[in-house]
Amino acid sequence: EADIYQTPRYLVIGTGKKITLECSQTMGHDKMYWYQQDPGMELHLIHYSYGVNSTEKGDLSSESTVSRIRTEHFPLTLESARPSHTSQYLCASSAEGARNEQFFGPGTRLTVL
Amino acid sequence: KQEVTQIPAALSVPEGENLVLNCSFTDSAIYNLQWFRQDPGKGLTSLLLIQSSQREQTSGRLNASLDKSSGRSTLYIAASQPGDSATYLCAVRAGGYQKVTFGIGTKLQVIP
Repeated sequence: EADIYQTPRYLVIGTGKKITLECSQTMGHDKMYWYQQDPGMELHLIHYSYGVNSTEKGDLSSESTVSRIRTEHFPLTLESARPSHTSQYLCASSAEGARNEQFFGPGTRLTVL
Repeated sequence: KQEVTQIPAALSVPEGENLVLNCSFTDSAIYNLQWFRQDPGKGLTSLLLIQSSQREQTSGRLNASLDKSSGRSTLYIAASQPGDSATYLCAVRAGGYQKVTFGIGTKLQVIP
């Protein structure tokens, strides 16, 4: 079944740790996105990719980095987590073409102590 | 800069009622508009996508309309059920690299 997956779903970690949030999709989509969402607030785009070896920063400044070595995989890394990184991180993908419908993963709730 | 506003911010209705959620956007030069549902602590589930050339889309009890010239879209939910309780977000795709701008959402509670 075509889908988009995120792991872990929940992560509680101490300040200064390096973390990687995983995102994979089986829909063959070229475009992938990372959004950050705080409770009751709008989604903010932090990174996007239009294909393998293509990554761009989004509107919201983020200390995270991403990579796109395989079409299906778009991990997000924080080299040194801080309490200000506490948030919900949502991964999404969309196909090329006029429709460009976005599909989202279940999200990762990150808490940095 | 595209701005997306959703009104009301929260809505509580008794089960069985028909309801309308509103979404407005400032730049009418859009590619498409997508309605999502988000349950607490979860990701977004796509409900309906309307292309800029379309006026409406229907899926089951949901009907979304688009009026580009006035910068508005509505999501109509017929015969609401407690399972419809969630936050509903609209997202507009526009601009040079087809940036997607989200509204903050309308939190819907359907009371049994």
